[in-house]
Amino acid sequence: QKEVEQNSGPLSVPEGAIASLNCTYSDRVSQSFFWYRQYSGKSPELIMSIYSNGDKEDGRFTAQLNKASQYVSLLIRDSQPSDSATYLCAVNMGGGADGLTFGKGTHLIIQP
Amino acid sequence: KAGVTQTPRYLIKTRGQQVTLSCSPISGHRSVSWYQQTPGQGLQFLFEYFSETQRNKGNFPGRFSGRQFSNSRSEMNVSTLELGDSALYLCASRPGTSAYYEQYFGPGTRLTVT
Repeated sequence: QKEVEQNSGPLSVPEGAIASLNCTYSDRVSQSFFWYRQYSGKSPELIMSIYSNGDKEDGRFTAQLNKASQYVSLLIRDSQPSDSATYLCAVNMGGGADGLTFGKGTHLIIQP
Repeated sequence: KAGVTQTPRYLIKTRGQQVTLSCSPISGHRSVSWYQQTPGQGLQFLFEYFSETQRNKGNFPGRFSGRQFSNSRSEMNVSTLELGDSALYLCASRPGTSAYYEQYFGPGTRLTVT
């Protein structure tokens, strides 16, 4: 069964610190990986996509991918209270023929 | 560029009824996917349409169906509604079906079945 695992949290981080969110996936042939942010009562908003091993930076966000370990992470630097949300890891498994498989999400709380 | 739009935003139905939800993708996007989100199961893939054809389908019963029109707009239908169908139904669009295309979600339709 194709699965994406995330720690549900809540993960509590002080304002200004680095928040680290982790995700593992089961399908070795997965090609593309995405991080979405979802505020309560809202729909998921795309933050980052990553396709190759290594780091990808966009502003305060850095996505990290290690295909050998089947591991994806998202770092949020200089965390702000507005970053408080649920972060969803999504993986395109099945060689792209299937829809995105989502983790259950990590609830992040940034404490002022 | 306008985002993905979904109508209606909220819906209340009774068990046994059927419902049709609508989605208009981002202009130029030809692929539309539908997802169901519930507190217990999270976000689950329902199906994807591209060029008016269903490409793939998630693990949902046949009561869940959809279609896509020539302008890429899509509808999904749920027949014989059950209480467990209460969920947020999300539509996402992307330019094509490559695994490397990012999917953008609409605001969702909140369906309550009583």
